[in-house]
Amino acid sequence: DAGVIQSPRHEVTEMGQEVTLRCKPISGHDYLFWYRQTMMRGLELLIYFNNNVPIDDSGMPEDRFSAKMPNASFSTLKIQPSEPRDSAVYFCASSTQDLAGAHSYEQYFGPGTRLTVT
Amino acid sequence: AQSVTQLDSQVPVFEEAPVELRCNYSSSVSVYLFWYVQYPNQGLQLLLKYLSGSTLVKGINGFEAEFNKSQTSFHLRKPSVHISDTAEYFCAVPSNTGKLIFGQGTTLQVKP
Repeated sequence: DAGVIQSPRHEVTEMGQEVTLRCKPISGHDYLFWYRQTMMRGLELLIYFNNNVPIDDSGMPEDRFSAKMPNASFSTLKIQPSEPRDSAVYFCASSTQDLAGAHSYEQYFGPGTRLTVT
Repeated sequence: AQSVTQLDSQVPVFEEAPVELRCNYSSSVSVYLFWYVQYPNQGLQLLLKYLSGSTLVKGINGFEAEFNKSQTSFHLRKPSVHISDTAEYFCAVPSNTGKLIFGQGTTLQVKP
């Protein structure tokens, strides 16, 4: 299994530009999570999906952030317009249910996208 | 509500010394507990997990943790650390809505 795939790995953009981060979860996983990590705030959950439906977006910082999951194998996190304070590492993670149908809670993380907004 | 407290933000230790990283939790649902490790410039990866059964859980790279229900703790231990164990360690507990609640992380610094 290739694991969770994120692209790009690094993104440098200017303030005001639109940024789109992409994630491919592990095949068969039905939960997908977007996190942001900075030195100041640590690891923050932004939003997560179950079966492509957003369950909790309370961590999305403001309307400039949006996330979509059009199908089970793809999700995007978009920032428009971007600001320097959005500079961070963004992680995508996925998880699934165990054989009994209960959520296993074990999340598999991608390598992250390092975003720098100048 | 579920919460996790990691009691130390940084733990410096010399190579081959033992180490304990402390985690206390609060949970109103069935207790599952996790430790994740994040090596520099990488994503988080699962180190070990407690779901049920034996309270002593063994993980990868020689780490183990003990679930203590009376003290609501899940401390991570290793009897002899290596330079390669230098990383950030996160304790986590599930919420009742499908997400993990992570602690603030503990940076383990192994010195030669």
